[in-house]
Amino acid sequence: ILNVEQSPQSLHVQEGDSTNFTCSFPSSNFYALHWYRWETAKSPEALFVMTLNGDEKKKGRISATLNTKEGYSYLYIKGSQPEDSATYLCAFKRHTGNQFYFGTGTSLTVIP
Amino acid sequence: NAGVTQTPKFQVLKTGQSMTLQCAQDMNHEYMSWYRQDPGMGLRLIHYSVGAGITDQGEVPNGYNVSRSTTEDFPLRLLSAAPSQTSVYFCASSYSLQRQNTEAFFGQGTRLTVV
Repeated sequence: ILNVEQSPQSLHVQEGDSTNFTCSFPSSNFYALHWYRWETAKSPEALFVMTLNGDEKKKGRISATLNTKEGYSYLYIKGSQPEDSATYLCAFKRHTGNQFYFGTGTSLTVIP
Repeated sequence: NAGVTQTPKFQVLKTGQSMTLQCAQDMNHEYMSWYRQDPGMGLRLIHYSVGAGITDQGEVPNGYNVSRSTTEDFPLRLLSAAPSQTSVYFCASSYSLQRQNTEAFFGQGTRLTVV
């Protein structure tokens, strides 16, 4: 069993605040790191797929960075809006094996 | 596009009953998988398949069976339901794990309660 950790577990921010959270994973044998957005009563949807050390991805107000050498990825949300409220999951895959390992997620609540 | 279709959305079983959760995808994806989601835990892999006729165990396979007779379908069978199998189940598919940029597409989830 491989450990993927996300922090913080939950976060409450005011509308307009910027925020970020962390996904930590083993630094050896890296293959890919995914970020998913999971709204209540829906299914997870992919935000970013990251494969190279130093990758930076951006989609609107949301961006992510990747450091495979030290084993972490940051997700940033600029100017949070209530519609950003969701759980953000990361998933890690090694070169070997056929499995993604998911973190427990960061639950974000944006207060209007 | 239907994407990943998972049924049923809700199910209540009595201990000892069996049932099958259905999962179908219309994207010609090679890789399909079943996860369970429990409070305070990440998605945990039950079984997966890298193609028709090929299945393998994930992290928590006990009490579950799968088969992959076609590319499209990947049903999950609970052989004799136990209260410990009360959970939310997700089916997911990806084009191929051999492609580094492949993302997972998830079904809508099944909330299963075993009493």
